[in-house]
Amino acid sequence: DVKVTQSSRYLVKRTGEKVFLECVQDMDHENMFWYRQDPGLGLRLIYFSYDVKMKEKGDIPEGYSVSREKKERFSLILESASTNQTSMYLCASSPRGLGNSPLHFGNGTRLTVT
Amino acid sequence: ILNVEQSPQSLHVQEGDSTNFTCSFPSSNFYALHWYRWETAKSPEALFVMTLNGDEKKKGRISATLNTKEGYSYLYIKGSQPEDSATYLCAQRNYNQGGKLIFGQGTELSVKP
Repeated sequence: DVKVTQSSRYLVKRTGEKVFLECVQDMDHENMFWYRQDPGLGLRLIYFSYDVKMKEKGDIPEGYSVSREKKERFSLILESASTNQTSMYLCASSPRGLGNSPLHFGNGTRLTVT
Repeated sequence: ILNVEQSPQSLHVQEGDSTNFTCSFPSSNFYALHWYRWETAKSPEALFVMTLNGDEKKKGRISATLNTKEGYSYLYIKGSQPEDSATYLCAQRNYNQGGKLIFGQGTELSVKP
C-alpha cells in the first residue's frame, strides 16, 4: 500500500513565523500535491509538482511556497504565517501522468496560527 | 475554476437505511470523476475513479453511477452501517483545468446505530 506521511498531525504557530509542512511518500510517485481543507469549501489545491525540482501553482498559492528536492519529499512553506492560514493541510501523491489514478493522501496536518 | 457541487451537505440516517448523494459538475471537456471517503482522524481514501458515460462501479455496499452528458454522479450506500459515517468527496478532472482535480465541498454522512 502507498504510504503518504505528513510530519505533524497538529501544529500551533504564531503570526509571522516561517512554517514548514513536510510530506513523504514511499511509492516512487512522480506527482505530489498540497491541499487545504476549510469547512464548506472542500479541498483547494495550493501547489503541485510533477517531478523533482518542478512546481506548479494551484488555485490558492498566495502566501505559500514549496520545495521538491527529492522525489519522495514535498514541502509546503508558509513564509510568514497569518491567521487566515489556519486550516487542515493535506498532502497527496499519484503516479506519473494525468490518467485515471486516484490520489493517495496523508493523514493531514491541522495548523493553527495565533 | 470549475464548480463541483455536492448535495446534501450533511445527512443523518439510521443504521440499515439506504442513502444516496449527488455530485454535479460541468459536463464539457470531462476527463474523470473521483469519489473519496474521509473518515475522522484518517486520510481520505479513494472509492472510485470513473471515466465513461454510463459507468457504474461497486465496492461492497457502495456503488456509484456517472452521467457525463448531464454532469452528475450519484453515490449509493445500501444498508448503511455506523462505520459508513464519513465525509464523501467527489472531484472532477477536466481538460480545461490542465488535468487538475477540482473537489466538491463534500457530503457528511452520519449513521446512527
